[in-house]
Amino acid sequence: NAGVTQTPKFRVLKTGQSMTLLCAQDMNHEYMYWYRQDPGMGLRLIHYSVGEGTTAKGEVPDGYNVSRLKKQNFLLGLESAAPSQTSVYFCASSLLAGRDNEQFFGPGTRLTVL
Amino acid sequence: LAKTTQPISMDSYEGQEVNITCSHNNIATNDYITWYQQFPSQGPRFIIQGYKTKVTNEVASLFIPADRKSSTLSLPRVSLSDTAVYYCLSTSGSARQLTFGSGTQLTVLP
Repeated sequence: NAGVTQTPKFRVLKTGQSMTLLCAQDMNHEYMYWYRQDPGMGLRLIHYSVGEGTTAKGEVPDGYNVSRLKKQNFLLGLESAAPSQTSVYFCASSLLAGRDNEQFFGPGTRLTVL
Repeated sequence: LAKTTQPISMDSYEGQEVNITCSHNNIATNDYITWYQQFPSQGPRFIIQGYKTKVTNEVASLFIPADRKSSTLSLPRVSLSDTAVYYCLSTSGSARQLTFGSGTQLTVLP
């Protein structure tokens, strides 16, 4: 099993450009999450999904959109990138939330917005 | 949101036992305490989870007192490879309330 994979690993954008980050998991997990991590900081939840076709806002959703058309995939979109969105983005999945909610994380996508 | 507070950093020497304490004064009845480990340039990795008293697995122990206002992650006989950031989370059934905080940077010295 590959676990959680993220595409791409690195990306450089210019202000105003758009892009989509792809997260895929092969563990048949219901829950999927997108986080961002800024230097020296913890992870902040952007959006999450509790199942195929559902999405919800996390702590810092502004400037991002997400879609979960297939259970195994969770896409994070930036419609008009800003320098403040320079960060490392992590995707995670879990079978449940709360008890026994071990999250499995991907390797991250390092995004720089110039 | 239940907020957790941890020391910013800790140093230890190889072979020692390390205890990292997390404060969660406003923990809700349904919240579990979960610890993650993160190495540079990698995503966090689950270590252990508990509700109360003591939980032990192959890598760590988690102690949660009766009032549940704090918890202690115990790493026995640390090695250099245990140098990482450790995050304490209080997690309920709501995915919306996941907050990692800044974590504790553990540095293991030779």
